[in-house]
Amino acid sequence: QKEVEQDPGPLSVPEGAIVSLNCTYSNSAFQYFMWYRQYSRKGPELLMYTYSSGNKEDGRFTAQVDKSSKYISLFIRDSQPSDSATYLCAIYTGGFKTIFGAGTRLFVKA
Amino acid sequence: DAEITQSPRHKITETGRQVTLACHQTWNHNNMFWYRQDLGHGLRLIHYSYGVQDTNKGEVSDGYSVSRSNTEDLPLTLESAASSQTSVYFCASRGTSSGTDTQYFGPGTRLTVL
Repeated sequence: QKEVEQDPGPLSVPEGAIVSLNCTYSNSAFQYFMWYRQYSRKGPELLMYTYSSGNKEDGRFTAQVDKSSKYISLFIRDSQPSDSATYLCAIYTGGFKTIFGAGTRLFVKA
Repeated sequence: DAEITQSPRHKITETGRQVTLACHQTWNHNNMFWYRQDLGHGLRLIHYSYGVQDTNKGEVSDGYSVSRSNTEDLPLTLESAASSQTSVYFCASRGTSSGTDTQYFGPGTRLTVL
């Protein structure tokens, strides 16, 4: 079993839709969770991070962690064509090491 | 502005050749990483370094080596390129920004081994 599982998609939605991106993880000791956004032919960039359980909001983006289910989510409200990218969940495992999900490709159609 | 650069951006080589990918960062970060990104696998760690003269193997290190002679650079060498090493390679450095431990990625090198 992979430590982090993420559906690769692709996910295609109309502009203005609410998008839900999800990952599951296997180790209940993990506490530091991140979402990276990667545009085509670019390197990933940190979008949001959360520590432990709960929600964190930043503009149109909300990161959610459910440690009881070992489930992390990223919600995008009022999605825009500029949100079209690959979104990678990531978990900091300690020792300066991070494990990444496979990434979900998102297309937002105008 | 601080940045992390990679060169070349694209490389085509033949099986058995030695190839070196360059990574240079101006963040003055001690921690640097090399990943490969393949469809269905996401980012997989090849090697990492916590500082000058320090290098460590990641989960997919076979056939790769790194050296760290200064803070800014971490070149990745493929000793004898194989077709299985066709991939997109990302270098990253890690520091602390606004209380988070953020990795900053380079733009990537697309390597094709024929």
